[in-house]
Amino acid sequence: GAVVSQHPSRVICKSGTSVKIECRSLDFQATTMFWYRQFPKKSLMLMATSNEGSKATYEQGVEKDKFLINHASLTLSTLTVTSAHPEDSSFYICSARPLAGQETQYFGPGTRLLVL
Amino acid sequence: AQSVTQLDSQVPVFEEAPVELRCNYSSSVSVYLFWYVQYPNQGLQLLLKYLSGSTLVESINGFEAEFNKSQTSFHLRKPSVHISDTAEYFCAVSFTGGGNKLTFGTGTQLKVEL
Repeated sequence: GAVVSQHPSRVICKSGTSVKIECRSLDFQATTMFWYRQFPKKSLMLMATSNEGSKATYEQGVEKDKFLINHASLTLSTLTVTSAHPEDSSFYICSARPLAGQETQYFGPGTRLLVL
Repeated sequence: AQSVTQLDSQVPVFEEAPVELRCNYSSSVSVYLFWYVQYPNQGLQLLLKYLSGSTLVESINGFEAEFNKSQTSFHLRKPSVHISDTAEYFCAVSFTGGGNKLTFGTGTQLKVEL
């Protein structure tokens, strides 16, 4: 149980284009989903917290207009990297927290983004 | 300030030897503690967690961790490692009143050698 999927697993795009990454909780409902970014050989950096039906809360230094987050249902959150540039190339990982006030987050397999 | 420290960036160990990966945290509030494992080019998998109750928690693949409140530690141990345990291990802490956010340590690369 508690499986989280991400799509696509890897994507290559041209500079200036937008890329959408989907995060789905497959066997549970998640009121809260989190988006992280991981640089090579580095820890995870929380980008934003996404709550179903409300606006995402962004961490300091993360541009909300560049990283658009939508949490339209209890099983789906999307991250759109708008006008992507090479410096946006990274490993993006989402996590989902089940309902009922559980503390545990379950992570997706990650999406490798390469912007040329 | 609340923080998580993993002092060892890399831990090389021979197969079947014991290993301890260290994790310390700094907090003035109650915490929940987690260990996640990440294999190359994959996401994070929950290894074990401490939320309440017994301070010694175990995973299904032989790892264990003990919450030590006085030392603010949550070290991960395994009495006998296998080649397949080679991975990056992250300690993470959720602080009470922190909106369920996880603060991660910088990770420890466990490399098991023959």
